[in-house]
Amino acid sequence: AQSVTQLGSHVSVSEGALVLLRCNYSSSVPPYLFWYVQYPNQGLQLLLKYTSAATLVKGINGFEAEFKKSETSFHLTKPSAHMSDAAEYFCAVSDYGGSQGNLIFGKGTKLSVKP
Amino acid sequence: NAGVTQTPKFRVLKTGQSMTLLCAQDMNHEYMYWYRQDPGMGLRLIHYSVGEGTTAKGEVPDGYNVSRLKKQNFLLGLESAAPSQTSVYFCASSLSGGEVYNEQFFGPGTRLTVL
Repeated sequence: AQSVTQLGSHVSVSEGALVLLRCNYSSSVPPYLFWYVQYPNQGLQLLLKYTSAATLVKGINGFEAEFKKSETSFHLTKPSAHMSDAAEYFCAVSDYGGSQGNLIFGKGTKLSVKP
Repeated sequence: NAGVTQTPKFRVLKTGQSMTLLCAQDMNHEYMYWYRQDPGMGLRLIHYSVGEGTTAKGEVPDGYNVSRLKKQNFLLGLESAAPSQTSVYFCASSLSGGEVYNEQFFGPGTRLTVL
C-alpha cells in the first residue's frame, strides 16, 4: 500500500527566504506524485505533478519539486518566499496500478511567511 | 465553466439529524470523490465513483452514503449525524482514475458542524 509522510506540520520562513517542504513516499510501484496547495477557506489547487517524464518538476507560482527515487522523496521548494505563499500544502501519491488511481494524501504542512 | 461546486457551504446539525451534501461538476469528468478534512489528518477519502450509477467505499465510509444518479452530480448523505462527523467536506472530480494524469479538481468545501 502506498503512503505519504510530510515532515513538519508547520513551517515558518521569512519573506525572501528559501521554502523547503518535505515529502517522503512509500510505494511498491512507480509512483505518481502531486503537490496541492490550500489557501484559507478554499479548496485544494494543484501546484505540480510528477509523472515520470522528468525528475525536476516545475509548477505554478515559482514552486518546483525534485523526485529522488533513492531517497523516496519529493520535496517542494521555492527560492524566495512571498507573503502570498502562506497556505497549507499537501503531498499526495496516486495508487496508479490500482483499479481507481486514488490519491493518498499526507497530513499537510502549514507554511507561514513572516514579513 | 464553474468547475466543481458544492452545496451548501456551511451547515449546523443536531445529533441524529440527516442531511445531503451536493456536488456538481461541469467538466464531463467520469470520476468523483468525497473527502473529509480534519485538523492534522489531511484529506481522507470517504466514497468515490468511477462513473454514473457506480459508487465505492474509500478509507472512512462508515456513517455516510452516496449516490451518483447523474454523471455530473455526486451526493453525500448522512443518515444520522454524529459529532464525530464535524468536519470540512470536499468533493473532487477527475477525468478518469487509472491514467497518468490523475489530476483531481476540488470544490470549495462544505463546513459541517454537528452539535
